[in-house]
Amino acid sequence: AQSVTQLDSQVPVFEEAPVELRCNYSSSVSVYLFWYVQYPNQGLQLLLKYLSGSTLVKGINGFEAEFNKSQTSFHLRKPSVHISDTAEYFCAVSQGGKLIFGQGTELSVKP
Amino acid sequence: KAGVTQTPRYLIKTRGQQVTLSCSPISGHRSVSWYQQTPGQGLQFLFEYFSETQRNKGNFPGRFSGRQFSNSRSEMNVSTLELGDSALYLCASSSRWGKGYEQYFGPGTRLTVT
Repeated sequence: AQSVTQLDSQVPVFEEAPVELRCNYSSSVSVYLFWYVQYPNQGLQLLLKYLSGSTLVKGINGFEAEFNKSQTSFHLRKPSVHISDTAEYFCAVSQGGKLIFGQGTELSVKP
Repeated sequence: KAGVTQTPRYLIKTRGQQVTLSCSPISGHRSVSWYQQTPGQGLQFLFEYFSETQRNKGNFPGRFSGRQFSNSRSEMNVSTLELGDSALYLCASSSRWGKGYEQYFGPGTRLTVT
């Protein structure tokens, strides 16, 4: 079975600083990977996805992620964060028709 | 296009009762999935329906059940509620069933069992 590991449970960062949220997956077959964001008291919003093709994927709100097959990673990055980026971020892998999520990373952006 | 809607948004039930949660997918979407989110276990897959048929089921006891109607709306039912069933229940819809299709999530139903 596939699994996803998010390496940091909490990431504090100052406003306008760059950030990287780390995600490793386990799979020996082709994977489809996603990053979702969850703001307080809301559902999940899709940030970006990797299905195939270019390993650098651009998403909404200035986020991007790089698929690295050799390191089985799919790290999320943003060059300059805003206070409004404070939220929980989930990495997920598609297995059949279901998503398998990591435990989430709380991004806290401080002024 | 309207997003995924879930009703009710908040629910308080007593241990031993049963509850039914409702989900209306994005118009045209035929696949509906349900997830449970708790602080301890994170996001866990419950089940998925496509064209009124359950296609996939997670590792939950039989007290958790669901169904999908011909208009793609879905309901999930939890019988004999336990304190541990307190969670945010999220519904997601997708245009198709299968690997790689992105899922769009609703705001969730917050269930509290006392």
